[in-house]
Order: sequence, then structure tokens, then C-alpha cells
Amino acid sequence: QSVLTQPPSASGTPGQRVTISCSGSSSNIGSNTVNWYQQLPGTAPKVVIYTDNQRSSQRPSGVPDRFSASQSGTSASLAIGGLQSEDEADYYCATWDDSLNGRVFGGGTKLTVL
Amino acid sequence: EVQLAESGGGLVQPGGSLRLSCAASGFTFNTYRMNWVRQAPGKGLEWISYINTSGTTVYYADSVRGRFTISRDNAKNSLYLQMNSLRDDDTAVYYCARDRGIVVVQYDAFDLWGQGTMVTVSS
Repeated sequence: QSVLTQPPSASGTPGQRVTISCSGSSSNIGSNTVNWYQQLPGTAPKVVIYTDNQRSSQRPSGVPDRFSASQSGTSASLAIGGLQSEDEADYYCATWDDSLNGRVFGGGTKLTVL
Repeated sequence: EVQLAESGGGLVQPGGSLRLSCAASGFTFNTYRMNWVRQAPGKGLEWISYINTSGTTVYYADSVRGRFTISRDNAKNSLYLQMNSLRDDDTAVYYCARDRGIVVVQYDAFDLWGQGTMVTVSS
């Protein structure tokens, strides 16, 4: 049972916009920023949304601007616009939990491009 | 090339011990905070441990606290994970991961990952 709750699956057709949610609590998302990771089959995860020193969400070099993130209260979401077949992967949200004094991940969402 | 390379995985019996290593190259290792993250077969990611740049501050997930010990040798550009009292549910791919290095550690992300090393706990 993950501390952060994500839907196990999501899907969309090429060109569509999909959103993946991440729900937490006041001790994690409610107090800290959320980062997002993409994991392609058989590979290590890579960050697609990170937090900068100004507490703003940013995309690493090479991640298209089709990827965006938002956060409000104890929830966060990752949006992928103009869906492409190469976006098919597992996506994980992650943040710090003040009560657990450590990082926590969501259970992951498997994104399928139909 | 900037990279992390884990080693030391393998098959171990329940109750046994194993030491994982992570060799860093291509960047100034002693200026980055480091972590271990694992992934059980077919499951999601689980953060298990963190260490600051000097090795003076460490954190653990509840699932491994008291059994695993994270450490680093900055002179050797290496990160370690000593795993004792291993259990079946410790079976996973173990990744070392680097913090990007922003000021507030609670907001930071893992910007560099190794390829992972498989640990199998089974009799």
C-alpha cells in the first residue's frame, strides 16, 4: 500500500491529452512539492518533472513541453498533451513525507497509447 | 560520461547478508546527496535510503530500518548499502539514484539513476 495514491492505469489515443493523478496527505503533498518519473519497460526511471530552487515545476532538457504538472492541496497531477506512442510507460509521482522523514512514491500508473 | 553503476547483487538465503556498491563517474560525487531505491518484480518503486554529501545524515524507510545501512566513500566515489537479515520481500532490483542538488532536500528529485542490480532472497 503506497503512501501516495495513483490510478493503476490510464490510456489515450495519439494526439489526446491525458492526466494522471496523485493523491496524498498533509504530511507529504500538502507540505512538499511533487516530482514525476517515467519508466519505460526494462529501463531505469527518469525524471520528467522536477522542482527547482524557486519551488517551481520544471522539465529536464529533452522532455517535451507536452509534459506539465500541477499541485493543489494534497493532490498533484501530471498532464501529457498531444499523446505519442513513445509516451507509453509507467509514471510515478514522488515527494517527501514529513511524518515518515523520507521520500515516498506513488504506486505507479501504466499509460497505454491506444 | 556521467553515470552510476551498481554491483553486488545476487542470490542470498533468507537471513543472509549482502553489500551493494554504486560507482559514480563523470561528476563530483562528494557534492551530491545519494539514495537507494528498489523495485520488486512487477511492482512499483520504493525509496529505501538517503545519505547526505558528508555521510553524516541518513534516512531509511520503515521497511529496512535496523536491517540496512547506507554509507559512502567520497574518496572512492562510491555509495554502499549493507543489507542484513534479508527477507523474501527484499527481492528486488536495487537502484542508486542521485539528488539533483537543490537547496531544500525535501523538494529534490532523482536526476541520475544506475541500471540497477538484482537481489534475490530465496532458499
